Amino acid sequence: TQLLEQSPQFLSIQEGENLTVYCNSSSVFSSLQWYRQEPGEGPVLLVTVVTGGEVKKLKRLTFQFGDARKDSSLHITAAQPGDTGLYLCAVNSGGSNYKLTFGKGTLLTVNP
Amino acid sequence: ETGVTQSPTHLIKTRGQQVTLRCSSQSGHNTVSWYQQALGQGPQFIFQYYREEENGRGNFPPRFSGLQFPNYSSELNVNALELDDSALYLCASSRQGSRNEQYFGPGTRLTVT
Repeated sequence: TQLLEQSPQFLSIQEGENLTVYCNSSSVFSSLQWYRQEPGEGPVLLVTVVTGGEVKKLKRLTFQFGDARKDSSLHITAAQPGDTGLYLCAVNSGGSNYKLTFGKGTLLTVNP
Repeated sequence: ETGVTQSPTHLIKTRGQQVTLRCSSQSGHNTVSWYQQALGQGPQFIFQYYREEENGRGNFPPRFSGLQFPNYSSELNVNALELDDSALYLCASSRQGSRNEQYFGPGTRLTVT
């Protein structure tokens, strides 16, 4: 059983459309992170959310942490081809040794 | 760009061989974590090194081992390679106490034939 379930697994949209991807769990977390990974590259940290209900914005990306700190969403407004990539959520599941556990990711393709 | 570098970029090995992958951490970071990412999956935690000692290990067999050096760089060694070891190996550096914000290198793509 996956600790973090991400949906959808794949998403292909046209430039200019809006989209939301989800990261869900039955566990409560002290914080949650979102990463984007482009082909042939390592994941790049986008944001860390800490407080239940927290909303963070990064240009056209809006991240929300659920009130119960069990889930999170990432909304992209007016998607662009440069947003194409694998979006991964991750949590610290190792206590003091900071082991990150990732979901399987959502592979987003934005077509021009 | 994160400042974390890995070498080599790509590697092809034969089943049963041994491999060493290298990672240089970002300046100011004292902790290195290694992850394995199979195709279509998220990264899976292998182990972490802090102050030159293993500081946590994921569900990987003992033939996966590592080292951290005084300059905080690190090596991942895999013995007796198996076909299923084919994956992208990622190194991430961080600073203890930084709320687990890890910065990843570009990875080493290992193919075992």
